[in-house]
Amino acid sequence: DTGVSQDPRHKITKRGQNVTFRCDPISEHNRLYWYRQTLGQGPEFLTYFQNEAQLEKSRLLSDRFSAERPKGSFSTLEIQRTEQGDSAMYLCASSSQGAGEAFFGQGTRLTVV
Amino acid sequence: GENVEQHPSTLSVQEGDSAVIKCTYSDSASNYFPWYKQELGKRPQLIIDIRSNVGEKKDQRIAVTLNKTAKHFSLHITETQPEDSAVYFCAASGPAGGYQKVTFGTGTKLQVIP
Repeated sequence: DTGVSQDPRHKITKRGQNVTFRCDPISEHNRLYWYRQTLGQGPEFLTYFQNEAQLEKSRLLSDRFSAERPKGSFSTLEIQRTEQGDSAMYLCASSSQGAGEAFFGQGTRLTVV
Repeated sequence: GENVEQHPSTLSVQEGDSAVIKCTYSDSASNYFPWYKQELGKRPQLIIDIRSNVGEKKDQRIAVTLNKTAKHFSLHITETQPEDSAVYFCAASGPAGGYQKVTFGTGTKLQVIP
């Protein structure tokens, strides 16, 4: 599969634990986005990378959230001290330079119990 | 920042009828408007897009129109089929600090009744 892949697909964690998700974008795409989607809502922007540089972080991204893209390829999203309100689908998308379409991964569904 | 509103939130149509979903955006700098279809438990998938220098675009049973002056754009699905049932999201993309930022609407759940 040469599309955007995310791992894991599902994660159940206890409140207070840390979790880390991984996204592998389409190889030639230099832009990578993280979104959060809750039931019945559209994807909400979290953060954006162009190559390895994190160019924007949403106000939704509290200090407990951190994202990296160290070599400009895969990216990780870490949530520290998870809360029940963090339960959502975390989507990664990638796109190439210019106003091209973004391709989404299948997402990581996080459940905090 | 950009704000995208989408209506209706749910839409039921009989198979064979047309479906129309409407979106408005706030940032006049937005220049790219994709539409995504998301089936239950699956990733959003691009179905059609339009750029700001075009007023209408068609792809088989799907068409999108854009009115830049009024800042609204619409998705039209003709001859609907049961497999068109899904959640549809509009989005607006525009320059923000040197890159393209995509803002999504809240989605329309389309149900096509056989």
